[in-house]
Amino acid sequence: GQQVMQIPQYQHVQEGEDFTTYCNSSTTLSNIQWYKQRPGGHPVFLIQLVKSGEVKKQKRLTFQFGEAKKNSSLHITATQTTDVGTYFCAGQGGADGLTFGKGTHLIIQP
Amino acid sequence: DAGVTQSPTHLIKTRGQQVTLRCSPKSGHDTVSWYQQALGQGPQFIFQYYEEEERQRGNFPDRFSGHQFPNYSSELNVNALLLGDSALYLCASRPQGFGSPLHFGNGTRLTVT
Repeated sequence: GQQVMQIPQYQHVQEGEDFTTYCNSSTTLSNIQWYKQRPGGHPVFLIQLVKSGEVKKQKRLTFQFGEAKKNSSLHITATQTTDVGTYFCAGQGGADGLTFGKGTHLIIQP
Repeated sequence: DAGVTQSPTHLIKTRGQQVTLRCSPKSGHDTVSWYQQALGQGPQFIFQYYEEEERQRGNFPDRFSGHQFPNYSSELNVNALLLGDSALYLCASRPQGFGSPLHFGNGTRLTVT
């Protein structure tokens, strides 16, 4: 079945540093979604990418979808303490439910 | 506008018992999915309901079953509980339409002893 790998598993950064998490799918995706889960909370939708090579920005967050629609990345510029949490990518391959990666836990040291 | 609500928030059961978890979707949403999230892991897709029928299913045994009611609310049932079933169970709703983003509830924390 479809597998979605995400790296790194953990990322420690100093506040103000940049952060990137990478997502790779074993199969071509119809779309990819990104979610953020704060400690003790539930996943919250951030964005969806549909087109090959698509780039979307939300303030300090930049999302990219690869040309082959099998990989994606999330980059955060100048991290803030409010960015703490786990970032998940979730791939949609076909009619199946979303396949989530294991997530990247972002830890920020002030 | 209430979001996705789940009950109960926490539950402790013994191996071999059965459990029922409940979910009310966000207003305007008619499709409900259930996910299992083990500690430190990503959510794993259990199944999805639309129009009171199971439409898609992930790689979970038949011990996991569900139901959707005419008002779009849903239940997840797990029979013959195993220690490995201990997890956060998340309900997510969305409007019908391929690729619509999921709105998650706060989840039910199930502990099996």
